[in-house]
Amino acid sequence: DQQVKQNSPSLSVQEGRISILNCDYTNSMFDYFLWYKKYPAEGPTFLISISSIKDKNEDGRFTVFLNKSAKHLSLHIVPSQPGDSAVYFCAAIKGFKTIFGAGTRLFVKA
Amino acid sequence: DVKVTQSSRYLVKRTGEKVFLECVQDMDHENMFWYRQDPGLGLRLIYFSYDVKMKEKGDIPEGYSVSREKKERFSLILESASTNQTSMYLCASSPPFTNSNQPQHFGDGTRLSIL
Repeated sequence: DQQVKQNSPSLSVQEGRISILNCDYTNSMFDYFLWYKKYPAEGPTFLISISSIKDKNEDGRFTVFLNKSAKHLSLHIVPSQPGDSAVYFCAAIKGFKTIFGAGTRLFVKA
Repeated sequence: DVKVTQSSRYLVKRTGEKVFLECVQDMDHENMFWYRQDPGLGLRLIYFSYDVKMKEKGDIPEGYSVSREKKERFSLILESASTNQTSMYLCASSPPFTNSNQPQHFGDGTRLSIL
């Protein structure tokens, strides 16, 4: 049973437009949510996080939104750049446990 | 910057062999983790360690064991490799669990093929 779900395996966006990556979770007890980015042949790297008591966190072009009532998390990238093309993993933390989604592959077209 | 180094990028082994995957981190992190990444399944935790000689099972420990004799090194062992263990293996490290939002730092992965 997947507690963290990324239902879109891939997303294609034009350069300069907004990319929105979505994530749903089932456990309301998670403390933190994170997004990681992964390029081919490299390990995932941390991108941005949000505490469960917040509803928004922003870092430059990246903003994460948390809707606790809907158990939904989204990552907005504005404006999207070709270098943002990667696989994005949503992750949720409770204590020592981090649970990852299956990932969404983002293609940003020039 | 944290550096997590996995000893091999690609590895090909035969069914029944004992396989060792090595991981070293240089940031004095207490926690170390082994995941496997499979298409459509994301990253699944095999084992983690929160201190030297300490280990805890993750979600899919069957067929694997680990060793942590030194703080900087965490080894994953496939006792008798099987074809369903063909996967990408990722090692990670992080500071102690007292700060829950501390992200994990990953190595570049080992793509293991069992023939």
